[in-house]
Amino acid sequence: GAVVSQHPSRVICKSGTSVKIECRSLDFQATTMFWYRQFPKQSLMLMATSNEGSKATYEQGVEKDKFLINHASLTLSTLTVTSAHPEDSSFYICSAKSLRDRGYTGELFFGEGSRLTVL
Amino acid sequence: QKEVEQNSGPLSVPEGAIASLNCTYSDRGSQSFFWYRQYSGKSPELIMFIYSNGDKEDGRFTAQLNKASQYVSLLIRDSQPSDSATYLCAVSSRTYKYIFGTGTRLKVLA
Repeated sequence: GAVVSQHPSRVICKSGTSVKIECRSLDFQATTMFWYRQFPKQSLMLMATSNEGSKATYEQGVEKDKFLINHASLTLSTLTVTSAHPEDSSFYICSAKSLRDRGYTGELFFGEGSRLTVL
Repeated sequence: QKEVEQNSGPLSVPEGAIASLNCTYSDRGSQSFFWYRQYSGKSPELIMFIYSNGDKEDGRFTAQLNKASQYVSLLIRDSQPSDSATYLCAVSSRTYKYIFGTGTRLKVLA
């Protein structure tokens, strides 16, 4: 299957700093990437939908100024957590749809996830 | 009402038994349905997807979809301890978003 690489896998930072997480589709082009957040023993909560070359669409309750998403190319999307606080500590997972999958069918390919701990 | 609902479990079954996992969804216009398995601390991995009413079998796994009842299920035959994980139901909506249920934790007892 298609490979999505996410980096870093783990990051620890101090409160007030910013952290950038990268999501790359390695062997396919992705027009759409999704960013999820998962707290312990909870499901994946969609944060935003990232479309190449356009602004991300954020879910209700997700602060767009705090979670900056950039999808500059068909293979790379980044999530920057700005001015991180301990309550932002979570497991962040990106996923991507292949350019060849039009519409709302088709498999989502997941990155390995990034565990953020804010001290 | 949550968009995608699952019983959180844990669902405990003995090794070799059939595990039955259920999921209901609220959007009647949903077209695609997925079952993902997630081990603790890892990303989800796709087990099966189903688009049409009825059953779809793949090895030990069978997905069942009933759009009239807005219900999708996953059966795991000959359950193994390695099947112990959280199983996430996901539904793809007309807004092109994939919505996940809270997951059902499955424990297969050796």
